Amino acid sequence: KAGVTQTPRYLIKTRGQQVTLSCSPISGHRSVSWYQQTPGQGLQFLFEYFSETQRNKGNFPGRFSGRQFSNSRSEMNVSTLELGDSALYLCASSSLAGGNTGELFFGEGSRLTVL
Amino acid sequence: QKEVEQDPGPLSVPEGAIVSLNCTYSNSAFQYFMWYRQYSRKGPELLMYTYSSGNKEDGRFTAQVDKSSKYISLFIRDSQPSDSATYLCAMSSGTSYGKLTFGQGTILTVHP
Repeated sequence: KAGVTQTPRYLIKTRGQQVTLSCSPISGHRSVSWYQQTPGQGLQFLFEYFSETQRNKGNFPGRFSGRQFSNSRSEMNVSTLELGDSALYLCASSSLAGGNTGELFFGEGSRLTVL
Repeated sequence: QKEVEQDPGPLSVPEGAIVSLNCTYSNSAFQYFMWYRQYSRKGPELLMYTYSSGNKEDGRFTAQVDKSSKYISLFIRDSQPSDSATYLCAMSSGTSYGKLTFGQGTILTVHP
């Protein structure tokens, strides 16, 4: 069974540009969450999608947005990039089977560098 | 103040040592407690999961939750060099499957 796939793995952008990151969850998983990981702040929750609907949103500015498609694939977008957006962006999927087990399956992340 | 506090270390121990990792939290709504392990250049993977207070053992790993003290621990017995990784505690209130609150992570190195 294929794991969570994130693309691209690495990218470099300049301030003011925008970026779109993609996530393909494990087959059958309908919940997709996004996290930002930085050395200073650790892992911070961005948003969660289930059946194409955003269920939760973290404390990030409106420049951060996301969406989920009918096949459960998800994308997140960051507009007007700032230096502080440099981070590892992690996508996680969950099957939701058996209730809230906390078992999120993470991808390897997309490492964004903003110059 | 962060909802979940975790000493980032780094922690360096000899092979075979018992490792103790800890987190404290402030949100009384947290009901689900997890430990994730993250190897360099990889995503986190679930190591242990505990609901409410109590202990859980899985091989060399033991997770403890003390809700009255808002304190959770992970013990690693007979540590191995392959245990070298960043260990992240995570918590959830149970109202959202995908929203976890993570600690900063503790960098652990087990040297031969």
